[in-house]
Amino acid sequence: AQSVAQPEDQVNVAEGNPLTVKCTYSVSGNPYLFWYVQYPNRGLQFLLKYITGDNLVKGSYGFEAEFNKSQTSFHLKKPSALVSDSALYFCAVKGGYNKLIFGAGTRLAVHP
Amino acid sequence: EAGVAQSPRYKIIEKRQSVAFWCNPISGHATLYWYQQILGQGPKLLIQFQNNGVVDDSQLPKDRFSAERLKGVDSTLKIQPAKLEDSAVYLCASSFGTEQETQYFGPGTRLLVL
Repeated sequence: AQSVAQPEDQVNVAEGNPLTVKCTYSVSGNPYLFWYVQYPNRGLQFLLKYITGDNLVKGSYGFEAEFNKSQTSFHLKKPSALVSDSALYFCAVKGGYNKLIFGAGTRLAVHP
Repeated sequence: EAGVAQSPRYKIIEKRQSVAFWCNPISGHATLYWYQQILGQGPKLLIQFQNNGVVDDSQLPKDRFSAERLKGVDSTLKIQPAKLEDSAVYLCASSFGTEQETQYFGPGTRLLVL
């Protein structure tokens, strides 16, 4: 069965520093992987996805993610964090019938 | 392009009462999803429609939850009777429907059952 793990409940980073939010997955077959961000009292906003092709995927707001098949990981990265990046981040994998299977989420806190 | 619309945004009810949520997907999106997000957890799929047919409702508590998508556009999700553990955010999403397509989410309805 497909599953996603986000091993960190919270990530703290200083503004201007690079950030990484970790995600590992378990799937049978080709993985279709997604990152979403959730701000308080808002729905999920799509950041980026990996379907096939280049292992480095670029997305919205300067975020990117690196797909690593051997490590079954899809970590979210940004070279220089902003205070406004503080939010809840979800990694997801496509399951049967196209449903998304989400991780538990990682809270990113960027400090000035 | 208009996004996924949901209403109401907030709802407070007492246990054993009923409640209904409404969703209008992005125009042209054939597939509509209802997810339940309990505080501190990732969203979990409740039901998925392809046009007006149900594709997956394996995690829908059918003794109390029901959903419909008349005419393959708008959808309603109903809970009757509500339990305390139904307190959550109910998210609606839509997509064109193919495996590689992105799902776009609405703002959600926050339900509190007292």
